Amino acid sequence: AQSVTQPDIHITVSEGASLELRCNYSYGATPYLFWYVQSPGQGLQLLLKYFSGDTLVQGIKGFEAEFKRSQSSFNLRKPSVHWSDAAEYFCAVVPMEYGNKLVFGAGTILRVKS
Amino acid sequence: DAGVIQSPRHEVTEMGQEVTLRCKPISGHDYLFWYRQTMMRGLELLIYFNNNVPIDDSGMPEDRFSAKMPNASFSTLKIQPSEPRDSAVYFCASSLSAGNEQYFGPGTRLTVT
Repeated sequence: AQSVTQPDIHITVSEGASLELRCNYSYGATPYLFWYVQSPGQGLQLLLKYFSGDTLVQGIKGFEAEFKRSQSSFNLRKPSVHWSDAAEYFCAVVPMEYGNKLVFGAGTILRVKS
Repeated sequence: DAGVIQSPRHEVTEMGQEVTLRCKPISGHDYLFWYRQTMMRGLELLIYFNNNVPIDDSGMPEDRFSAKMPNASFSTLKIQPSEPRDSAVYFCASSLSAGNEQYFGPGTRLTVT
């Protein structure tokens, strides 16, 4: 089935450690790709996006993501996590065959321990 | 710009009552989306509009739900009659153009008792 998969429901990292959140999609054509972050009780904020071109994209708050076509992946990374990064992270895609619909993964909850 | 504005932020109502959620998109954005977020089902797209016209309402759960966009700066999502299973956070989002990033409002937390 066509979908967006975030295999990790919860991830806990120590403050200052590196972070990688995984995202895979299963659509025929390369979709537009996004990462959003949601803090408790808040709406979703866009971290970064990929449409085409350089496969390593930089976002806000020190995040970056790398698109790998061969793996149908768009993993989010941050070299050094801060306590304020604790939130839920959503990978989302706009599949070419579905027009403007944004399809979300189930989300990954990030906990940061001091 | 103030971003996407939603009201109310919280709504508590009794089963059977009508509920109206409101959204003001970012000025100049041609697309408006309504989502529902629950623990069980995650984020679901309910309906979206392009230039005030509903394009895809396949995500609307049933006839109790309806959405309108009378002009470019205002949209409503109505539930009539409401049921406890409608309890969720409802988000409105807007985007400048097709396939572009969507900007989300703060959401309306609906509780139906």
